[in-house]
Amino acid sequence: NAGVTQTPKFRVLKTGQSMTLLCAQDMNHEYMYWYRQDPGMGLRLIHYSVGEGTTAKGEVPDGYNVSRLKKQNFLLGLESAAPSQTSVYFCASRPNRRTGDNQPQHFGDGTRLSIL
Amino acid sequence: AQSVTQPDIHITVSEGASLELRCNYSYGATPYLFWYVQSPGQGLQLLLKYFSGDTLVQGIKGFEAEFKRSQSSFNLRKPSVHWSDAAEYFCAVGASGGSYIPTFGRGTSLIVHP
Repeated sequence: NAGVTQTPKFRVLKTGQSMTLLCAQDMNHEYMYWYRQDPGMGLRLIHYSVGEGTTAKGEVPDGYNVSRLKKQNFLLGLESAAPSQTSVYFCASRPNRRTGDNQPQHFGDGTRLSIL
Repeated sequence: AQSVTQPDIHITVSEGASLELRCNYSYGATPYLFWYVQSPGQGLQLLLKYFSGDTLVQGIKGFEAEFKRSQSSFNLRKPSVHWSDAAEYFCAVGASGGSYIPTFGRGTSLIVHP
C-alpha cells in the first residue's frame, strides 16, 4: 500500500549541479503535482500534469522542468541548482475528474533539498 | 480566482482544551473544501472534506469542520486536543470548474502545551 513515493528523501547539492526528483504513485491517478514548501509560504505549485505525456506550469515554474513519460511517474528536474531552490518538495496525485471533483490529493513524504 | 485565507499563523492550546482553526475561502461556484494535517517530517494527510450535503463534516482523529456559506468559512474544530495533534494544518479549496488545481492556505501551526 505504497501510495505516493518520493525519492530521494534528502539531498545536498552544490550550486550549479543538476538532479532529478522522482515521484511514483501506484493508485492509477491521472493528475500529478509538484509543490515546494518554504517557511511561511505554504505550498506553492511548481508544475502539474493532467495525464501521461502532458505537463503544465504552476505558480513558480522557473528553474524547474518536469516530465510525465509514464502515468505512474512524474519527474522534477533542476538543471542548474541555485540556493533559492533549497526547500522541501512534495509530490501529490489525485484521480481524474470522472471520479468527482471532490477527490482529495494524496501526498508523498517529501524530499528535503539543500543547495550550497 | 479562488483563494484561501488562514488568518492564524500559530495557535497555542493546552492539552485537553478545545480547538478551532479558521479558514475563509473565496470562490465563485460551489466549493470543494478540504482540511489536511502535516506532522513534522511528513507529507499532508487528509483530515476531512466537504462538497455537498450536511454542513457539519466529521473527519479522522476526532476532528470536525463546519461549512458556512454565508461567512465563506470552513473552520476546523476539535473538542479536546491531544499532544499528538501538534502539527501544521492546511485548508484547501478544490475546483468544480475547469481548473484541476486546488488552492491551499498558508497553514496554521498548532502548538500543544502539556
